[in-house]
Amino acid sequence: ETGVTQTPRHLVMGMTNKKSLKCEQHLGHNAMYWYKQSAKKPLELMFVYSLEERVENNSVPSRFSPECPNSSHLFLHLHTLQPEDSALYLCASSQEVAGPSSYNEQFFGPGTRLTVL
Amino acid sequence: GQNIDQPTEMTATEGAIVQINCTYQTSGFNGLFWYQQHAGEAPTFLSYNVLDGLEEKGRFSSFLSRSKGYSYLLLKELQMKDSASYLCAYMTTDSWGKLQFGAGTQVVVTP
Repeated sequence: ETGVTQTPRHLVMGMTNKKSLKCEQHLGHNAMYWYKQSAKKPLELMFVYSLEERVENNSVPSRFSPECPNSSHLFLHLHTLQPEDSALYLCASSQEVAGPSSYNEQFFGPGTRLTVL
Repeated sequence: GQNIDQPTEMTATEGAIVQINCTYQTSGFNGLFWYQQHAGEAPTFLSYNVLDGLEEKGRFSSFLSRSKGYSYLLLKELQMKDSASYLCAYMTTDSWGKLQFGAGTQVVVTP
């Protein structure tokens, strides 16, 4: 496997279910991100991890719970979701968490298309 | 506040040129990215501008004017495979460099 992979690619769940999204990066990067992409809306940053520590939680409801056990893996645990949470969830990674005088290209995974019934 | 705008959709003919404009407003700016996203696929990096001017990369060029809060992506010699959504995003000067995305411009290339 190369780049950033995500599983599953598609997920349908009921509002009372608990499921997890998985992301793995094979690039040796130190930073990982979760984004939500809804139809016709901008990508919304949800969480940022740098060296397995969460550095940003962008006012995301507690029904989304991230986990970063190591710098290569990132999970998004889902429970009691709402229909409006249906979206494409994208994972990304970058070499570092960019500072004010540098940039870091983010590499995206293919996403998980989530449908909440 | 943090705002970024780009057109929703543009249509052009194969072989033609299309220019996608992006305007932004932010109190802290640390560069502008363009990504390409085909339907059902991951966004892929196209370009990065942090200084004013034009960056050319093959058929694609990107321009930035920081004083005007304006960028454009120029696609030349359009091919059918260029039909995709093009995402404009700026990086902030937060301690860890947050990317703020526009909603994307859907480019449709017709024969």
